[in-house]
Amino acid sequence: GDSVTQTEGQVALSEEDFLTIHCNYSASGYPTLFWYVQYPGEGPQLLFRASRDKEKGSSRGFEATYDKGTTSFHLRKASVQESDSAVYYCALSDRGFASALTFGSGTKVIPCLP
Amino acid sequence: NSKVIQTPRYLVKGQGQKAKMRCIPEKGHPVVFWYQQNKNNEFKFLINFQNQEVLQQIDMTEKRFSAECPSNSPCSLEIQSSEAGDSALYLCASSLNYNNQAPLFGEGTRLSVL
Repeated sequence: GDSVTQTEGQVALSEEDFLTIHCNYSASGYPTLFWYVQYPGEGPQLLFRASRDKEKGSSRGFEATYDKGTTSFHLRKASVQESDSAVYYCALSDRGFASALTFGSGTKVIPCLP
Repeated sequence: NSKVIQTPRYLVKGQGQKAKMRCIPEKGHPVVFWYQQNKNNEFKFLINFQNQEVLQQIDMTEKRFSAECPSNSPCSLEIQSSEAGDSALYLCASSLNYNNQAPLFGEGTRLSVL
């Protein structure tokens, strides 16, 4: 079956540091890939999606590029802020609009004062 | 600012009691999903609908869980006889019915079964 792997369970870094969260996927088809962010007490919010190889998604200073060759969709941000404190989920969908999302295990981002 | 409305936000039940939660999808979205997010932040797909029709559901849903999306009424998810293991955040999401759509999530109903 489909799977999404996020290797970092938690990332603590100083404000204004560069953030990378790794996401690798396994799917039988040509999936659409998503990044969602979930703040405490809220539901997941879409950051962006990508559905073609080399397509770049971006929002709120975050970006990721769909790489079919390495089956990856790594999330990056150049300068993390305190307001970015949240859990970030990589997800995929590969069987059309009715397909349930397959989520990664999530990465908690903890910005610290420099 | 979520446009998927879930009620109630919090629900406390004793073991064996019924638990019912509701969801109003985003206007114009014919596809509705229910997910369960456990305390380890893992997502489990439960069931989805297109308009009033069930598209997919997992085996667990067929036994103690029931769900419906009647015309001109909120969608609902009901647990007939709650168990401690049902304690979780129940998320409703809606989307358009064409490919590569990103489901829009509500804020969830947090169920605690004592």
